[in-house]
Amino acid sequence: GNSVTQMEGPVTLSEEAFLTINCTYTATGYPSLFWYVQYPGEGLQLLLKATKADDKGSNKGFEATYRKETTSFHLEKGSVQVSDSAVYFCALSDRGAQKLVFGQGTRLTINP
Amino acid sequence: DAGVTQSPTHLIKTRGQQVTLRCSPKSGHDTVSWYQQALGQGPQFIFQYYEEEERQRGNFPDRFSGHQFPNYSSELNVNALLLGDSALYLCASSFFRPTGGVRSYEQYFGPGTRLTVT
Repeated sequence: GNSVTQMEGPVTLSEEAFLTINCTYTATGYPSLFWYVQYPGEGLQLLLKATKADDKGSNKGFEATYRKETTSFHLEKGSVQVSDSAVYFCALSDRGAQKLVFGQGTRLTINP
Repeated sequence: DAGVTQSPTHLIKTRGQQVTLRCSPKSGHDTVSWYQQALGQGPQFIFQYYEEEERQRGNFPDRFSGHQFPNYSSELNVNALLLGDSALYLCASSFFRPTGGVRSYEQYFGPGTRLTVT
């Protein structure tokens, strides 16, 4: 079945550092890929998405590129802020907005 | 424009009891999905409702059941609660337009209901 694997956390960085959170997936066909963010005590917010190979999703300074050849969708940001501290989830969906499959999440803490 | 709303926010139940959680989708959305998020884990898909019918189901026992109403709101029912059912239950909404076959790629999540089973 479909699955998503994220780099294990937690991840702790200093403000303005470069961020990479790795995500790889296993899926049949051509899934859509997503990054969701969960702030403490809240539900999930869609951060960015890519629906086909080589698409780059971007939002709020975060970027991720759909790499079919390496089955990856790594999340990057050039300069993180304290407000980026949250749990980040990589997810896939094999038919549009149907049934999201999530990774285990990566907790990110940014220190001032 | 109201987003996805869920009630109640928190709930404490005893083993063996039954619980009902409620969800109202984002305006303009007609599809509701439910997810269970155990502490420290990613959300797990329970089921999805569209046109008042269960369309997809994840690997959850029959103790988990649901309903969708004509106004697109939805309920999640869990019978014979177990300690392992303690989790954050998330509702997500999306839309599907049969004419043209357009389905949104995004699911919008509510804040969740924290269920504790003692």
